[in-house]
Amino acid sequence: ILNVEQSPQSLHVQEGDSTNFTCSFPSSNFYALHWYRWETAKSPEALFVMTLNGDEKKKGRISATLNTKEGYSYLYIKGSQPEDSATYLCASKTSYDKVIFGPGTSLSVIP
Amino acid sequence: DAGVIQSPRHEVTEMGQEVTLRCKPISGHDYLFWYRQTMMRGLELLIYFNNNVPIDDSGMPEDRFSAKMPNASFSTLKIQPSEPRDSAVYFCASSLGSGANVLTFGAGSRLTVL
Repeated sequence: ILNVEQSPQSLHVQEGDSTNFTCSFPSSNFYALHWYRWETAKSPEALFVMTLNGDEKKKGRISATLNTKEGYSYLYIKGSQPEDSATYLCASKTSYDKVIFGPGTSLSVIP
Repeated sequence: DAGVIQSPRHEVTEMGQEVTLRCKPISGHDYLFWYRQTMMRGLELLIYFNNNVPIDDSGMPEDRFSAKMPNASFSTLKIQPSEPRDSAVYFCASSLGSGANVLTFGAGSRLTVL
């Protein structure tokens, strides 16, 4: 993998459903993996930063895991709510401090 | 702290004109990043600075784009001459240190080139 990739591109879920998305990143020169939440007409805001293989982070109903050996991270949302509707971005930070973003996963939670 | 401040928020200009976008990072942050957001490419890294020094400008599209950081509290991104394909939202972000610290984004500058 040469770039940061995310899947799916978009997702529509019913309120109360749990969901997850994937971020794939180059494992060479890896330093940290960031997750951001980006609401329409606003700026991206940081959710998590992870550095170590096996890292797990949690904030409320949202959690994330990291696998640096295979170059992927999962973001989980438990019991989705309409206010969770946003684009979720992951970004890979290299050992040269370069921060490259994936294209994002657009989540719509239907009430 | 007021966060990362960008100006102007909106700019409409005609093809061929010079455009200057400005950014004030969070005080004390030593990294500054310029990104361009388009539908096709998402958030695309243009250039980033560490302690006012450009580290990697490989994302700058072409010679029409230039960026400077004359001091720790101010950076500019200049497009001369501008073209319609430069229309996008340009984001500035800053962070502290070279560790695992996240980026704090400005509100963005929406550029429309007619």
